[in-house]
Amino acid sequence: SYELTQPHSVSLDLGQTARITCGGDGFGTKHVHWYQQRPGQAPVLVIYGDSNRPSGIPERFSGSISRNTATLTITGAQVGDEAVYFCQVWDSSTAVFGGGTKLTVL
Amino acid sequence: EVQLVESGGGVVLPGGSLRLSCAASGFTVRGDYMTWVRQAPGMGLEWVSIIYANDGTYYGDSVRGRFTISRDSSKNTLYLQMNSLRADDAAVYYCARVGLNVLGHDAIDLWGRGTLVTVS
Repeated sequence: SYELTQPHSVSLDLGQTARITCGGDGFGTKHVHWYQQRPGQAPVLVIYGDSNRPSGIPERFSGSISRNTATLTITGAQVGDEAVYFCQVWDSSTAVFGGGTKLTVL
Repeated sequence: EVQLVESGGGVVLPGGSLRLSCAASGFTVRGDYMTWVRQAPGMGLEWVSIIYANDGTYYGDSVRGRFTISRDSSKNTLYLQMNSLRADDAAVYYCARVGLNVLGHDAIDLWGRGTLVTVS
């Protein structure tokens, strides 16, 4: 089965740029989506289709993809961005989630 | 307002059954792909099931044969029938919409707040 690999945690200082990676065995035609989940809340979509931002998501959130790695970039991270971030793709009608990356803003 | 509201969670004995409901407002469950995702305490997201607009259904390996996804268009509600529940089924269950009609993409663009299932 298809797997997505994320670092367990990322820490950075306020205002720095956070880069959260998501590794897959060649994304091919798969599109990567990213979700933010704050403690006690449901996930929220922050990037879809590799690099698109839904309405209402700040411009400091961006996404990119190469052959084996998708990256969520948060430019000028704020305390409110502290959350767990999950990447996700569809593989043969099955949703696959990465294990999640906890972002800490110091 | 476009939203999803889950209900039906609770405490159930191992081997028991439970039916989760998800009431949609602001859009029709019949016209969209709808899915269930669960999250065990302190863990990541695990996909459970999807129902397509053409009524096709798919399930994760861990629930196939035990869980059934369905919808009632007249009530604009999505369901998840869960049978033969096990301790490792304990989780918050989220109802969600795949945003093809909104985003033109297969991202999950709308999530409910979740309902907690405890198997004990």
